[in-house]
Amino acid sequence: AQSVTQLGSHVSVSEGALVLLRCNYSSSVPPYLFWYVQYPNQGLQLLLKYTTGATLVKGINGFEAEFKKSETSFHLTKPSAHMSDAAEYFCAVSEDGGYQKVTFGTGTKLQVIP
Amino acid sequence: GAVVSQHPSRVICKSGTSVKIECRSLDFQATTMFWYRQFPKKSLMLMATSNEGSKATYEQGVEKDKFLINHASLTLSTLTVTSAHPEDSSFYICSASGYQTSNTEAFFGQGTRLTVV
Repeated sequence: AQSVTQLGSHVSVSEGALVLLRCNYSSSVPPYLFWYVQYPNQGLQLLLKYTTGATLVKGINGFEAEFKKSETSFHLTKPSAHMSDAAEYFCAVSEDGGYQKVTFGTGTKLQVIP
Repeated sequence: GAVVSQHPSRVICKSGTSVKIECRSLDFQATTMFWYRQFPKKSLMLMATSNEGSKATYEQGVEKDKFLINHASLTLSTLTVTSAHPEDSSFYICSASGYQTSNTEAFFGQGTRLTVV
C-alpha cells in the first residue's frame, strides 16, 4: 500500500524567502512521486514529477524537489517565493505506473506575505 | 500536454435530483479515468477507477448506486450523482490517462463544484 504524509497543513513565508514544503511517502515498490498545485476553485496542475533517474527534479514556476530514498522524502522547494505562489500544494505517490492511480497527501496551503 | 476537460465547472441542484458531470479527453484516447472527491480543507479521495468499456471499480465506502460512472468511449467518462443530498456537495475532479500520454502521469480536469440545496 502507498501513502503520503505532508507535514504542515499551512506554511507562511515572506515574499522572496525560501519555500520548503515537506512530503514523506510510503511505498512497497519504487514509487512515482508528484507535486501538484491547486489554485482556489480550480483543478490540479502538475508542478513536477519523479519517475526514475536524476533525483533532483525541476518543475515549472521555479520549483524543484529532491527524491531521497533513504529518507523516503520528496520535499518541494523554491529559492524565492512570489505572491503568485500562494496556493494549495499536494504531494502524491503512484506505484502502479500504468494506470496512474494516485494517492494524495492532505495538502499544504502556502501563504506568501508581502 | 494532454488536455482533460470537465463540465460543468459549477452546478447547483435541488436535493433529490440527479446531476451528471462529464470528463473528456480532448487530444488523446483515455483508456483509464479516475474520479476524485475533495472535501473542504481536505485532500482528494479516489472514488473510482474506470476503464473504457468496463464497469468501474469503486473504492471502499463509495456507494456505486449513488455515484454512477460510465466510460462508454475512449474520450468520455461521466459521473452521475443520483438523488443528491446536501452532504454530496463537494468538489469532484477527474483524471485520465491513455496510450498516447506519458505512462507515468494522469491528467486532471478543472473540477466541478457541486452544491446541493
